Amino acid sequence: DTGVSQDPRHKITKRGQNVTFRCDPISEHNRLYWYRQTLGQGPEFLTYFQNEAQLEKSRLLSDRFSAERPKGSFSTLEIQRTEQGDSAMYLCASRAGGYSSTDTQYFGPGTRLTVL
Amino acid sequence: AQSVTQLGSHVSVSEGALVLLRCNYSSSVPPYLFWYVQYPNQGLQLLLKYTSAATLVKGINGFEAEFKKSETSFHLTKPSAHMSDAAEYFCAVSSSGTYKYIFGTGTRLKVLA
Repeated sequence: DTGVSQDPRHKITKRGQNVTFRCDPISEHNRLYWYRQTLGQGPEFLTYFQNEAQLEKSRLLSDRFSAERPKGSFSTLEIQRTEQGDSAMYLCASRAGGYSSTDTQYFGPGTRLTVL
Repeated sequence: AQSVTQLGSHVSVSEGALVLLRCNYSSSVPPYLFWYVQYPNQGLQLLLKYTSAATLVKGINGFEAEFKKSETSFHLTKPSAHMSDAAEYFCAVSSSGTYKYIFGTGTRLKVLA
């Protein structure tokens, strides 16, 4: 168990560019979550996958945001036409299957995005 | 809708003093509550979680939290602060269905020498 990994750890881009982040969950964790954390705030939910199915998206996830988990393993989060307001830490978390609210989500180190 | 409120965005304590970080929740169903810690430029690490098995929950690094339904609270405590406890602490509730977390705004703990 190597934990949740995210790549890259830091990304600096210019406004209008597209960016893609990758998350590798703990192996055999079939549930995967993306959160966004802005300065001074708690993480806010973006989207959720159960295996390869995207089951919920937050209103925060505008049409510029898209996420995939094609084989139910790693996931990618893409932001098109980035804006300065997209600057934030993007966190990925995974948890085991099952139907208990008590199951723990394990977080990756995050990708810090800076849009110039 | 479920939510959590963390009172005090910044808390300062002296090394060796009691740490008390406050969290109040709002939930129409029995809540499942979590405390996470975040060190600078890192992800979140679970400190402890309330699963309804016991109202007093012990976590890592000497932290504990008590679930009080009558006060809708889940405050985090540690008897004696250590310099290494300086970090940001988040309270979260797990929502039904997708089990996504709803986080509070966080409390930054500063430990004074």
